[in-house]
Order: sequence, then structure tokens, then C-alpha cells
Amino acid sequence: AQSVAQPEDQVNVAEGNPLTVKCTYSVSGNPYLFWYVQYPNRGLQFLLKYITGDNLVKGSYGFEAEFNKSQTSFHLKKPSALVSDSALYFCAVLLGGGADGLTFGKGTHLIIQP
Amino acid sequence: NAGVMQNPRHLVRRRGQEARLRCSPMKGHSHVYWYRQLPEEGLKFMVYLQKENIIDESGMPKERFSAEFPKEGPSILRIQQVVRGDSAAYFCASSPLGPREAFFGQGTRLTVV
Repeated sequence: AQSVAQPEDQVNVAEGNPLTVKCTYSVSGNPYLFWYVQYPNRGLQFLLKYITGDNLVKGSYGFEAEFNKSQTSFHLKKPSALVSDSALYFCAVLLGGGADGLTFGKGTHLIIQP
Repeated sequence: NAGVMQNPRHLVRRRGQEARLRCSPMKGHSHVYWYRQLPEEGLKFMVYLQKENIIDESGMPKERFSAEFPKEGPSILRIQQVVRGDSAAYFCASSPLGPREAFFGQGTRLTVV
């Protein structure tokens, strides 16, 4: 069975500093990995995904993530945080070729302090 | 091209009533996924449908829950005889190809009183 872990319930970062939101996964096979962001009372917005190819994936709003197969991680990063980045972030995994839905982590609250 | 449309956005039901949640996929999308988000938790996959077919319902509770995606019209998630534990946000996603290209709606927040 596939699973996703987001070890931090909350991450606090000062505006302008770099941010990292951690994600590790467990699948048997080649994973497809995703990051979504959820603002209060809103749906999920797609940020980026890793399917194959370059391990460093660039996405929306200046976010990027690095696929690390040996550490089974897919941490979300941004060089300089904005207050508007404050939201709930979800990591998700899909087993390559799988027909069913995404498996999501529990989410990490990112709080950017002015 | 409008996004994935879910309605209603908020739904209040008394225990024992039925809840019907609607999802209109994006134009050209024939794959629909339903997810449930309980408070303080991530989204849990419920069911995957293509037009007129249920492809995977491994995440659906065995009783009271059903889903359909008819040839014409929106996908419907139906919850019969709702209980307080059904209170959650229900999200629909649609895709032209499969879960790798899924776009999410804004969700329906169900409150059972």
C-alpha cells in the first residue's frame, strides 16, 4: 500500500526567508508525486508534480520540489517566503500507472510571519 | 473553460436525511474522483468514475454511500441516512486522462446536525 507522511503539522517562517515543507512517501514501484495548496474554505490548487525526468521540479508561485529516490522524499521549497504563501499544503502520491486516486498526507500548515 | 463546479458549497442535513452532492467536471473531462476531508486530516480517496461506470470504489464506505456519473449531467455523491460522522468537506476532481492530471473543485462542506 502506498502512503505519504508529512512530519510537521505546522511550519513557521519569517517573510523573506527560505521555506521547506517536508514530505516522505512509501510505495512499491515508481511514484508520481504531487503538491497541492489549500487556502481557507477553498479547494485544492495544484502546485507541481513529479512524473519522471529531472529530479528538481518547478511549479506555480515560485515553488519547487526535489525528488530524492534514496531518501524517498519530495520536499517542497521556496527561496523567499511571502505572507501570502500562508496556507495548508498537501503532498500526494500516485503509484505509476495506478487507476485509483491520489493518496494524500495529512497536510502541513505553513505560516509566514511578517 | 470553467473549472470543476461543485454544488452546493455548504449543505446542512439533520441526522437520518439524505445528502446529494453534485460535481460538474471540466469540459472534455470524462474521469471524476471523489475525496473526503475530515477535520484536521488530509483528503481520503473515495471513488473513481468514468462516464456511466464505477472504476474504483475501494475508498467508499460499504453502506449508505453511492456515486454515479451518468452519460448526461453531473456526477452525484449520495449519502443516505446521514450521521454526525459524515460531516466533512467532500471534494470532486476531474481529469481528461487519469489522476495525474486532476483538477479539484472547491468542495462541498456537509454539516450533519
